[in-house]
Amino acid sequence: GAGVSQSPSNKVTEKGKDVELRCDPISGHTALYWYRQSLGQGLEFLIYFQGNSAPDKSGLPSDRFSAERTGGSVSTLTIQRTQQEDSAVYLCASSLTSGGAYEQYFGPGTRLTVT
Amino acid sequence: KQEVTQIPAALSVPEGENLVLNCSFTDSAIYNLQWFRQDPGKGLTSLLLIQSSQREQTSGRLNASLDKSSGRSTLYIAASQPGDSATYLCAVRPPNAGNMLTFGGGTRLMVKP
Repeated sequence: GAGVSQSPSNKVTEKGKDVELRCDPISGHTALYWYRQSLGQGLEFLIYFQGNSAPDKSGLPSDRFSAERTGGSVSTLTIQRTQQEDSAVYLCASSLTSGGAYEQYFGPGTRLTVT
Repeated sequence: KQEVTQIPAALSVPEGENLVLNCSFTDSAIYNLQWFRQDPGKGLTSLLLIQSSQREQTSGRLNASLDKSSGRSTLYIAASQPGDSATYLCAVRPPNAGNMLTFGGGTRLMVKP
């Protein structure tokens, strides 16, 4: 079956511009996670959605970052007024539910470069 | 705050060698531990998932062990092949709601023909 998909695969933007990154989770998966992978910081958690519950935003690095998940499926991560330090690979993952026994399946990521 | 460390950061071995990758974590209160593989420019592929009540998991040439009390896990790769070249990441999951993963920095493995 189809895995987690993300778009675009690569995004180059100028400093100060807003960007939107999209994630399509595996069909039927109620939990969705965003992570960021950058040089020097490794892979870090950003935000988590479970069904229709309020998202856990504890990993967002600043208020320039936000995310939404419409209809319990597709999610969009928005970065406003991008900075060079936002350059990273943004990975999305989904799991059947948020229960600890369930694996997270990752998408291929979006490579964001802020010039 | 949970911290996950992987040693070594990079490893180069000749084809056919058996090898061990190490992962340590500071908080033993975990729900499970997962090993991933990441190829350059790609996402993460799950290799093995070990629940906190388990000691090890095996898949083909891979064997992962977990010693929760000491905060350690190892990934053993038998008879390494050039196709095993990739970055290997371990990640731990807390026993609370959300279950977001905390990742180590990874071990970059190169298997030379």
